[in-house]
Amino acid sequence: ELKVEQNPLFLSMQEGKNYTIYCNYSTTSDRLYWYRQDPGKSLESLFVLLSNGAVKQEGRLMASLDTKARLSTLHITAAVHDLSATYFCQGTYKYIFGTGTRLKVLA
Amino acid sequence: EAGVVQSPRYKIIEKKQPVAFWCNPISGHNTLYWYRQNLGQGPELLIRYENEEAVDDSQLPKDRFSAERLKGVDSTLKIQPAELGDSAVYLCASSARQREGRQAFFGQGTRLTVV
Repeated sequence: ELKVEQNPLFLSMQEGKNYTIYCNYSTTSDRLYWYRQDPGKSLESLFVLLSNGAVKQEGRLMASLDTKARLSTLHITAAVHDLSATYFCQGTYKYIFGTGTRLKVLA
Repeated sequence: EAGVVQSPRYKIIEKKQPVAFWCNPISGHNTLYWYRQNLGQGPELLIRYENEEAVDDSQLPKDRFSAERLKGVDSTLKIQPAELGDSAVYLCASSARQREGRQAFFGQGTRLTVV
């Protein structure tokens, strides 16, 4: 079965804390994408990970890809309230999206 | 550059009525995607175009859904007849083959409510 699973599904964290969101995918994918979606809004592309070991960083977010383990991570450093949103990962096989992680950063 | 433009933004129709959504991708983007997003879920791919060719429509419910992309630019997604379960946000996205990683840009979506 084709699956892209994220965990946790919900994450409530304090400002200033660090945390990692995990994305496991069941079928080989030559690229892995991360998106952000604010409530009632469309999707914003965050990262494109192209190869095994790829690491991309933008501000307080860092994404990595391990194609052998079929695992991608999105690490949040020193969270701020503005990062509150739903985060999705997506593989390229059938362009399946993950289940989403709803992040809430508490002041 | 202008983003992906979709219209209408909102649509309310009665079941069994037809409905159409329009998408204008970013200029020069040869790949166009239509997704459906149900509340609280991730988007689900309906159809993907490379230029004017539908290269993946395996998840498009072909009994009632149809799509076209004339001249490899604008695209239209149609539902006829609509059912209550079709209520969702329909998202259009585009990407450029020559751009690293084929990063996709999404439109604002059309929120469909079938009553």
